[in-house]
Amino acid sequence: DGGITQSPKYLFRKEGQNVTLSCEQNLNHDAMYWYRQDPGQGLRLIYYSQIVNDFQKGDIAEGYSVSREKKESFPLTVTSAQKNPTAFYLCASSITGGQNSNQPQHFGDGTRLSIL
Amino acid sequence: AQSVTQPDIHITVSEGASLELRCNYSYGATPYLFWYVQSPGQGLQLLLKYFSGDTLVQGIKGFEAEFKRSQSSFNLRKPSVHWSDAAEYFCAVVNYGGSQGNLIFGKGTKLSVKP
Repeated sequence: DGGITQSPKYLFRKEGQNVTLSCEQNLNHDAMYWYRQDPGQGLRLIYYSQIVNDFQKGDIAEGYSVSREKKESFPLTVTSAQKNPTAFYLCASSITGGQNSNQPQHFGDGTRLSIL
Repeated sequence: AQSVTQPDIHITVSEGASLELRCNYSYGATPYLFWYVQSPGQGLQLLLKYFSGDTLVQGIKGFEAEFKRSQSSFNLRKPSVHWSDAAEYFCAVVNYGGSQGNLIFGKGTKLSVKP
């Protein structure tokens, strides 16, 4: 079955450490997204990519970095510059993305990141 | 800029009772609208979508939603709630002309179900 796989499900970060969250999709979707979810704040967009080798900052990109070297993969690195990284991180994809794309997004099951 | 508002942060209903979750959008033309559900610790699952045509759309898990242009609303309904419906529900609208991905999400409504 096609879908989006996020790993690991739980991740712990020490102070000053960078960590990378994995997101892989086998849906052949062009667009991929990373969201951060905190209680009561809904989904906040970190980065998105409409196509391979291209990505744009979302609302809260500071302290995060991404790459999109392959269509199926969109890893998110939480850097030490992100001072409050404890949150639930969701990866999503859609057939197409960007302005005026009416395609729904499909979501992975998330990674919960905590600070040790 | 478009926006989506879910006025209710938290709703509690009794099992077997009917449910209506509110969603209001701001957009001048006919929007493309979605409802998603998120169970605790899980990702979001698409319940239903509205693109055009019949204003009452059916989704999975027995949910339906009605698009009302005059009220700029797209409310989610279910005739009889089951305990397994306890989750958080998100309304979303396609982001026309925006620069932040293709969907704008509301902040969600958490549904609790009383036995």
